[in-house]
Amino acid sequence: DAMVIQNPRYQVTQFGKPVTLSCSQTLNHNVMYWYQQKSSQAPKLLFHYYDKDFNNEADTPDNFQSRRPNTSFCFLDIRSPGLGDAAMYLCATSSIGRGPGNQPQHFGDGTRLSIL
Amino acid sequence: DAKTTQPNSMESNEEEPVHLPCNHSTISGTDYIHWYRQLPSQGPEYVIHGLTSNVNNRMASLAIAEDRKSSTLILHRATLRDAAVYYCILKIGRGSQGNLIFGKGTKLSVKP
Repeated sequence: DAMVIQNPRYQVTQFGKPVTLSCSQTLNHNVMYWYQQKSSQAPKLLFHYYDKDFNNEADTPDNFQSRRPNTSFCFLDIRSPGLGDAAMYLCATSSIGRGPGNQPQHFGDGTRLSIL
Repeated sequence: DAKTTQPNSMESNEEEPVHLPCNHSTISGTDYIHWYRQLPSQGPEYVIHGLTSNVNNRMASLAIAEDRKSSTLILHRATLRDAAVYYCILKIGRGSQGNLIFGKGTKLSVKP
């Protein structure tokens, strides 16, 4: 059974039109992450939530925002998508119980975003 | 963040063992060594992790050098389904919230 669920799998939006990607988890993990993966590149961390605390990576553009209304759900908002934002967006979760280094991350299958 | 170095690509024959190397000469004492793999059109999948001792699970084995500056992921019998990009990542043990910093990984091809 899928434990990290991303909807939709494919999303098409227009240049400059705000778009929201969603992620839900059944693992009750306290940390949720968003990654961006462009074609033939490795995933790049955008930001993460540790419970309700939001942690932005230094080089994440202001165009990207996130919301976490409760433990199970997390959203990625792109306020004004540009052509360069076309990518796979991956959500992951982790539990920091016995120390962050000792916990695996669980990934969803991603949402592939296309910009017209 | 401590860096890892992996070969860009490797090839294997089906049902043969595969040894995927990773160098991490700047590893610190609290960094865990994690391996993930990513099949085409899927999210990364956790494979295995370790700190100092060798580790085994149902998917693979992880051999860690005594000085911890390198490690090897071992797939005991490669199958076609094991064709993927394999990422070796150092995960900070303290003072972080478990962030993963992905390198370029090794693209493994498996021939029938």
